Amino acid sequence: DQQVKQNSPSLSVQEGRISILNCDYTNSMFDYFLWYKKYPAEGPTFLISISSIKDKNEDGRFTVFLNKSAKHLSLHIVPSQPGDSAVYFCAASEAGGTSYGKLTFGQGTILTVHP
Amino acid sequence: GAVVSQHPSRVICKSGTSVKIECRSLDFQATTMFWYRQFPKKSLMLMATSNEGSKATYEQGVEKDKFLINHASLTLSTLTVTSAHPEDSSFYICSALPRGRDTQYFGPGTRLTVL
Repeated sequence: DQQVKQNSPSLSVQEGRISILNCDYTNSMFDYFLWYKKYPAEGPTFLISISSIKDKNEDGRFTVFLNKSAKHLSLHIVPSQPGDSAVYFCAASEAGGTSYGKLTFGQGTILTVHP
Repeated sequence: GAVVSQHPSRVICKSGTSVKIECRSLDFQATTMFWYRQFPKKSLMLMATSNEGSKATYEQGVEKDKFLINHASLTLSTLTVTSAHPEDSSFYICSALPRGRDTQYFGPGTRLTVL
């Protein structure tokens, strides 16, 4: 049972444009969500997170939007840069607004930003 | 800050041998460390949660006698794959939760190949 789903295995975007990565979840107990970036043969790097009490969190070029009623979150990268090319994982936790507990990951989306 | 290291980065061993993987938080104390496993083109799957000074909590389906976890100090956790078999070949990643923080930071991962 895949509780966190990233339905797009890959996304290709032109440099300077917006990249939108989507993530859906089924467990209504999830209350903290994170996005990680991962290069091959490396561990994930934390990008941005959002608590379920918010619907938007912004950090530089990265913005995460949360729609609790739709159980959907998205990561917007503006403007996209070639260095953003990587695998992006969304993750969710039900540990009281932290990632103290178990993180459940989506399958990942491969983002390719073309110069 | 929040750097996590893993050693070794890559290991090849013969079937039936045991392999130890170390996970260290370099610049912070981690009350909790997590061990994940990633199969090719798949998501990260949590194997176990390790708290300093106590027994690890294993996820359903993970054999605790095969994957021994020791959280010896606030900066070190080890995963020992005992009597390794080819099906144990995978990418093993640890993460650590800094004391007082709410974001897990990941190590670079260890590629295990069992011949």
